[in-house]
Amino acid sequence: EAQVTQNPRYLITVTGKKLTVTCSQNMNHEYMSWYRQDPGLGLRQIYYSMNVEVTDKGDVPEGYKVSRKEKRNFPLILESPSPNQTSLYFCASSLSGQKQYFGPGTRLTVT
Amino acid sequence: KQEVTQIPAALSVPEGENLVLNCSFTDSAIYNLQWFRQDPGKGLTSLLLIQSSQREQTSGRLNASLDKSSGRSTLYIAASQPGDSATYLCAVRPSWGKLQFGAGTQVVVTP
Repeated sequence: EAQVTQNPRYLITVTGKKLTVTCSQNMNHEYMSWYRQDPGLGLRQIYYSMNVEVTDKGDVPEGYKVSRKEKRNFPLILESPSPNQTSLYFCASSLSGQKQYFGPGTRLTVT
Repeated sequence: KQEVTQIPAALSVPEGENLVLNCSFTDSAIYNLQWFRQDPGKGLTSLLLIQSSQREQTSGRLNASLDKSSGRSTLYIAASQPGDSATYLCAVRPSWGKLQFGAGTQVVVTP
């Protein structure tokens, strides 16, 4: 089944404790992206990747890191999480210029 | 900076009525526009993608139009059903990697 998977689905952590949210797709898509969704602010793009080893900033990259060492994986790293990074995070992938497939989301709470 | 607006923010219609959802964007220089559906607590599902050179796309009861010059797109859902209740988001691609979302229209279809 074609899908985008994210892990974990739910995470509660404390300020400053490094964490990684994984994203994997099985559709051989070149393009992958991370978004956060917050009430009143909607969906905002954090980082995107056009292919292996090619990443770029979206609209809200501060406090996040990404890497794309394999085509199927695009992990999101929070080196020192803060409470303002509490949010619902989505990973998505697509063929270049085509419709995006979204993962189920990761709900992160930073206390 | 590109801004994407969706009006109305919420809409309630009786079953069987046609739905008309609006999306406007401030910069006509886009690669494509995509309509998504989001159910509560779930990820996004792509409904229709319209490339910048296209005027409309259709899938079943759904039809989306794009007028780049006026910065508008409209999603029509014919003969609405209770299962169409969801939040509908539009997103524009202003550059090859970026994607910018509107805040969404929350739709309730009453039996």
